[in-house]
Amino acid sequence: GEDVEQSLFLSVREGDSSVINCTYTDSSSTYLYWYKQEPGAGLQLLTYIFSNMDMKQDQRLTVLLNKKDKHLSLRIADTQTGDSAIYFCAESFGSSNTGKLIFGQGTTLQVKP
Amino acid sequence: EPEVTQTPSHQVTQMGQEVILRCVPISNHLYFYWYRQILGQKVEFLVSFYNNEISEKSEIFDDQFSVERPDGSNFTLKIRSTKLEDSAMYFCASSEKLSTDTQYFGPGTRLTVL
Repeated sequence: GEDVEQSLFLSVREGDSSVINCTYTDSSSTYLYWYKQEPGAGLQLLTYIFSNMDMKQDQRLTVLLNKKDKHLSLRIADTQTGDSAIYFCAESFGSSNTGKLIFGQGTTLQVKP
Repeated sequence: EPEVTQTPSHQVTQMGQEVILRCVPISNHLYFYWYRQILGQKVEFLVSFYNNEISEKSEIFDDQFSVERPDGSNFTLKIRSTKLEDSAMYFCASSEKLSTDTQYFGPGTRLTVL
C-alpha cells in the first residue's frame, strides 16, 4: 500500500546543512514533494522532483531521489533560524489521475542560533 | 500572489452538530482537495473534486461528509453530524491541472468538537 515515513525531529546549528529523510513504499509514485509548514500556517510547497530524476537543485535546496531504495532526501544548505518548521514529504501517483497526495508524518527542524 | 483562503480559522462545535468549512481556491484552478491533520498525526487525503464531481475519496470520507462548489468561487466541506474524532485541522488545496501540478494549500481550519 501507500505509505510515507519520516524521522520526527532534527536539530542543527545555524549555518550548518540540514538533511531531512523520507522513505516511501509505492514505486508507482510519479512526483515527490517537499512541503514546509510554519506554526499556524498552511503547507507551502518548497520543491518537487519527478520520479525519473535523481537530483534537483533549487538555490539552497537539494533533493536527492534513490528510486531503488525508495528514499528521498531534502538538503538545506546554510540553514537559517527562519528554516525552523515542519517539513513534509509527499508523493502523488500519475496512474490514479486524481492528484491525491500521500504525506509523511513530518519532520520538525529546529535551528539553533 | 494568489492564494487559497479558508474560513473560519477556528470552529468549535458540539458533537452531533453540522459544520461547513469554507474555502476559496485560486481563481483559475480546476481541481480541489480537502485534507485533514489530526493533532500529532499525518496529513490525510479526504477527497478530490473536479468538474463538479468527486474524483476520489478516502475511507475517512464516509456518508457524514460532503463537498460542494455552490458558486464559481467557493468550495465547501460539510460534516453532517460531527463526532469527537472529527477534531482536526482541515486543509483545502487547489491545483490548475492534475497530478503533475502543484497543489496550493490554504492555512487550514481548526475544528474542535466538544
